[in-house]
Amino acid sequence: GENVEQHPSTLSVQEGDSAVIKCTYSDSASNYFPWYKQELGKGPQLIIDIRSNVGEKKDQRIAVTLNKTAKHFSLHITETQPEDSAVYFCAASKAGNQFYFGTGTSLTVIP
Amino acid sequence: SAVISQKPSRDICQRGTSLTIQCQVDSQVTMMFWYRQQPGQSLTLIATANQGSEATYESGFVIDKFPISRPNLTFSTLTVSNMSPEDSSIYLCSVEDWGVAFFGQGTRLTVV
Repeated sequence: GENVEQHPSTLSVQEGDSAVIKCTYSDSASNYFPWYKQELGKGPQLIIDIRSNVGEKKDQRIAVTLNKTAKHFSLHITETQPEDSAVYFCAASKAGNQFYFGTGTSLTVIP
Repeated sequence: SAVISQKPSRDICQRGTSLTIQCQVDSQVTMMFWYRQQPGQSLTLIATANQGSEATYESGFVIDKFPISRPNLTFSTLTVSNMSPEDSSIYLCSVEDWGVAFFGQGTRLTVV
């Protein structure tokens, strides 16, 4: 089955700096890679996703890059704000199959 | 995107008792999923619930411990049976909409 690894497990940045979270996956057939943000006491919320036919996707301050050859993808948050503080999960899946989640990154943005 | 309502949002239960968690979706979906998220950990799939058939359980999870109902295309329940402190976790309901996974707000269960 698929194995998704996520690093770092914790990340602290100063407000306004950038944050980068990286994930690797093992199954080359995986073709969909979402990122979720989970705030305390809430369920995971989809913030951005990318499919294997593109290498990068951006939505305002958030971007995701995908390197299919190396089987890794990354989340980039620019101009971080205190409200970005949360746990972030990456995931990988292939059509019609289950999602495999990374172990999570606890991001703290220091005002 | 699908809107998922899950209840209760939290509960504290005595060991040996059972708790049923409800999940309601605002649209009809073929498959619903139940996850467990232990403190500080990632999401682990418990089972997949299809309407009209028995749920499919992942390795390490059994129907006697986590019975699931799926009476229609918008509703499912997960029961955590004969609870022990090790069952203290967040339980999440999820659906897929065009291949994208959406989650309920979760049920935070504490077993004492």
